[in-house]
Amino acid sequence: DTGVSQNPRHKITKRGQNVTFRCDPISEHNRLYWYRQTLGQGPEFLTYFQNEAQLEKSRLLSDRFSAERPKGSFSTLEIQRTEQGDSAMYLCATHGGANRNEQFFGPGTRLTVL
Amino acid sequence: GDSVTQMEGPVTLSEEAFLTINCTYTATGYPSLFWYVQYPGEGLQLLLKATKADDKGSNKGFEATYRKETTSFHLEKGSVQVSDSAVYFCALYNGGGAQKLVFGQGTRLTINP
Repeated sequence: DTGVSQNPRHKITKRGQNVTFRCDPISEHNRLYWYRQTLGQGPEFLTYFQNEAQLEKSRLLSDRFSAERPKGSFSTLEIQRTEQGDSAMYLCATHGGANRNEQFFGPGTRLTVL
Repeated sequence: GDSVTQMEGPVTLSEEAFLTINCTYTATGYPSLFWYVQYPGEGLQLLLKATKADDKGSNKGFEATYRKETTSFHLEKGSVQVSDSAVYFCALYNGGGAQKLVFGQGTRLTINP
């Protein structure tokens, strides 16, 4: 257990529906990242927050994706009008404090779009 | 941009065999290098890291040496166990900007008793 939690762990939805995932970070970590991992591939960066500010977004993050981190605590990732290509594992990671090189990952939310 | 290339998997070995998983990278500057492991049904866990050239990271019997001249960070273990069966990811972190991790595609390792 890394101290980073994600909910739900699994989500099955129909194409066109909206879904929202939540990440609860290690409390003292000020940086929070979202990655996406498709089957047989390594995680790919989507976006990150420094406290409540979203500072960078990948080209992978289309207009249907939005992420928030109100008050610099938990974060949500919403996907609108889901497509089958959105099926993947969505990973949250945080880091901060003394060891700035190490990121701690949550268990992920596995999304299946039917 | 920065990238990481891992050896193709899957890799299947017998218990107590010697393990090498190759990893090479392309990056500007002086990245930090990592190996993460993903056990079945679990999240990514940091296995070991090295932050500068010639550093050796080690943990749980695994080792990897940061070789700048060959831009490599190969993972090795002298005697693998069934419990080492997992997916292993090589990654780099290059500071600046987002300070995001860039991952290789992963190598699935299966150890047979």
